Amino acid sequence: AQSVTQPDIHITVSEGASLELRCNYSYGATPYLFWYVQSPGQGLQLLLKYFSGDTLVQGIKGFEAEFKRSQSSFNLRKPSVHWSDAAEYFCAVARGIQGAQKLVFGQGTRLTINP
Amino acid sequence: SQTIHQWPATLVQPVGSPLSLECTVEGTSNPNLYWYRQAAGRGLQLLFYSVGIGQISSEVPQNLSASRPQDRQFILSSKKLLLSDSGFYLCASRQGRGYTFGSGTRLTVV
Repeated sequence: AQSVTQPDIHITVSEGASLELRCNYSYGATPYLFWYVQSPGQGLQLLLKYFSGDTLVQGIKGFEAEFKRSQSSFNLRKPSVHWSDAAEYFCAVARGIQGAQKLVFGQGTRLTINP
Repeated sequence: SQTIHQWPATLVQPVGSPLSLECTVEGTSNPNLYWYRQAAGRGLQLLFYSVGIGQISSEVPQNLSASRPQDRQFILSSKKLLLSDSGFYLCASRQGRGYTFGSGTRLTVV
């Protein structure tokens, strides 16, 4: 079955430090991959997405992600985090045929920023 | 671009009471629509999706139901709420390869 795994439930980094959030997927075909961010009590905001082409994807707020087919991974990175990046981050894969496509999410990674 | 309206933003309901959460979509037609639930400390679970008016697919057995009476309206309902129905409910819309999410409804069943 197709699934998405985010191995880290909670990560703490210092402000200004680099960040990498891990995401692994299980999917037979070339996946459509997404990263979303959720601030407390809010909906989801799309950070970036990968459909095809260049495997390094640039997103909003200085985030980027790299699709590695050989590792079935789509890790999210940021070179220097800001206190405002504290939030919950979700990786997702779109599965199913075109008409019945749906997003399957990982369990999420909660990011805490130390001052 | 798509805009999703969800209401209410927060809701406190007693066990055994009915529920109706509404989601409407603007800026698109014939979208796929989805209901997700996020329980406390957990990820997002797909509850229902719809590819058209009157067409509902359920992903997990539960105490809830969904309906799509109009192209851009998606309703989540329950006849009798359980404590386990508490959570954060998100409506989403897909047009092409893009997904848009509403701002969610925080439901607390007491």
